Amino acid sequence: QKEVEQNSGPLSVPEGAIASLNCTYSDRGSQSFFWYRQYSGKSPELIMSIYSNGDKEDGRFTAQLNKASQYVSLLIRDSQPSDSATYLCAVRNTGRRALTFGSGTRLQVQP
Amino acid sequence: DVKVTQSSRYLVKRTGEKVFLECVQDMDHENMFWYRQDPGLGLRLIYFSYDVKMKEKGDIPEGYSVSREKKERFSLILESASTNQTSMYLCASSQTGGSYGYTFGSGTRLTVV
Repeated sequence: QKEVEQNSGPLSVPEGAIASLNCTYSDRGSQSFFWYRQYSGKSPELIMSIYSNGDKEDGRFTAQLNKASQYVSLLIRDSQPSDSATYLCAVRNTGRRALTFGSGTRLQVQP
Repeated sequence: DVKVTQSSRYLVKRTGEKVFLECVQDMDHENMFWYRQDPGLGLRLIYFSYDVKMKEKGDIPEGYSVSREKKERFSLILESASTNQTSMYLCASSQTGGSYGYTFGSGTRLTVV
């Protein structure tokens, strides 16, 4: 079992819709969770972090964390074509300085 | 604007060459990391460093070594490049503490022929 799992996609949504990206992780003691966006040919950039159960909102982005289910998600409201990218989920496992990344979900927003 | 700078965007090297990938950060971060990114495999940790001259192996250290002589600079060394080391190499840095994410460099696409 991979430590951090994401559906590779592509996830295709129409412009203006809500995109929902999901991630599960295996280390129950993980404390910190991050979402990165990576455009084709570019390096990842941090868009959200979450540490407590529940929702965290930042503009059009909402991160959701459920530690009991070992599940973290990213919602993108009013999706735009410029949101088309690969979204990487990253987890800081117990006792580790380094992040463990999922393989990413490719999102396509159709105009 | 804070930065992580990787010295080369593209590199082409021959099999058996010794290759140096350089990374410099200007944020006074304690932690620096080297990952490689391959299609379908995601980002895999090669090595990281949490202080000057301190290093720890990541998940795939074989064939690589690292050097951190100064806080701002973290070098990845391919001792004898092989074709299976053709990849995108990403350097990142972070502050110490569970709540801090990474800042990534722009990446070096290495091709070994």
